[in-house]
Amino acid sequence: QITLKESGPTLVKPTQTLTLTCTFSGFSLSTSGVGVGWIRQPPGKALEWLALIYWNDDKRYSPSLKSRLTITKDTSKNQVVLTMTNMDPVDTATYYCAHSSGSSWLDYWGQGTLVTVSS
Amino acid sequence: EIVLTQSPATLSLSPGERATLSCRASQSVSSYLAWYQQKPGQAPRLLIYDASNRATGIPARFSGSGSGTDFTLTISSLEPEDFAVYYCQQRSNCPCSFGQGTKLEIK
Repeated sequence: QITLKESGPTLVKPTQTLTLTCTFSGFSLSTSGVGVGWIRQPPGKALEWLALIYWNDDKRYSPSLKSRLTITKDTSKNQVVLTMTNMDPVDTATYYCAHSSGSSWLDYWGQGTLVTVSS
Repeated sequence: EIVLTQSPATLSLSPGERATLSCRASQSVSSYLAWYQQKPGQAPRLLIYDASNRATGIPARFSGSGSGTDFTLTISSLEPEDFAVYYCQQRSNCPCSFGQGTKLEIK
């Protein structure tokens, strides 16, 4: 059974760096083809694809946010970490992590965590 | 970056009716397109991948078609639980991207 759960601060101040952790079970990020992605959704708005890391440490980032994002994995801890620098109120959103099969489709999702950016 | 445009933004139908949702890509994504369903307060759920393959556990009333730049999600006969927001996503060239969504509401 594959499960994922996001954790991190619920409130960050403008200009701060956000660090979110995705802790998962039921699969290994050392298995060929597997990946974990991050997606966000501002309140009442559409999904936005942010980043994805593959089992071989290949990393992909949204072009519009690439300069602010870093995605890393800790295979031994079954965790993936996303950092986003220089947070702004427009970054207020629910942040999801999701499992990606060998085809990069997001077939299992965490429950999401709401991050509010406010002073 | 590949941009996905979904239409209509909102679709108002009654249970039992047929729903047709569209997704158009700014450049060819071959068959590398998926559809997700999202209900209020829930994470998205994968419905269709590789344009026409149903994900595990997805009812047969959901079907996908298309290739290249034009794709369609069809729900053959709407059930009450199908009223939700639907997103398309491409993986032809990750960074991947989502469409802006179509809200399927009860008429």
